Amino acid sequence: DVKVTQSSRYLVKRTGEKVFLECVQDMDHENMFWYRQDPGLGLRLIYFSYDVKMKEKGDIPEGYSVSREKKERFSLILESASTNQTSMYLCAGGGTYEQYFGPGTRLTVT
Amino acid sequence: RKEVEQDPGPFNVPEGATVAFNCTYSNSASQSFFWYRQDCRKEPKLLMSVYSSGNEDGRFTAQLNRASQYISLLIRDSKLSDSATYLCVVSGRGGSARQLTFGSGTQLTVLP
Repeated sequence: DVKVTQSSRYLVKRTGEKVFLECVQDMDHENMFWYRQDPGLGLRLIYFSYDVKMKEKGDIPEGYSVSREKKERFSLILESASTNQTSMYLCAGGGTYEQYFGPGTRLTVT
Repeated sequence: RKEVEQDPGPFNVPEGATVAFNCTYSNSASQSFFWYRQDCRKEPKLLMSVYSSGNEDGRFTAQLNRASQYISLLIRDSKLSDSATYLCVVSGRGGSARQLTFGSGTQLTVLP
């Protein structure tokens, strides 16, 4: 069974903190993605990666960075968390078309 | 204009009803089309792909009209377990088939 796991289901951080969200996939897929999901806005792509050490900006990369040192692991970093980054963060891995999502991390920045 | 537009609903229908969702997309270069399902507080999961010829999976039928850039999902004989948000998804963002654009979703509640 395909599996994407995320390090935390719920996270509460303070404004200005550096935040790390970890994602691991066991599918051996080249492609990995980070989205955020907000009511009324749907899923918005933050960053994606097609290969180890490769990264591409999505629609809303500002305030975020990513790291992909190993094929199975894709990390999202909030350099200095702000309240407008309070959201549900979803990681996905996938082949050419279908994407498999992790359970999500609900991040609250206070 | 959003790249993928859906009626957000909510659609509240009785068990056994037939319900249809529609979706339009703006990128005429999109090559692949999907419906994903997202249960409350869960991650999205692929429901079915959508082909030009139309395709059916049990009670679910998906249709694509490339000329009108329009996708539909029909659910027959609705079950309580069909209650979820249905996301219309197209590929081809940024010229890449690997990137997907998600609609905001249509919320369905099937009532007993």
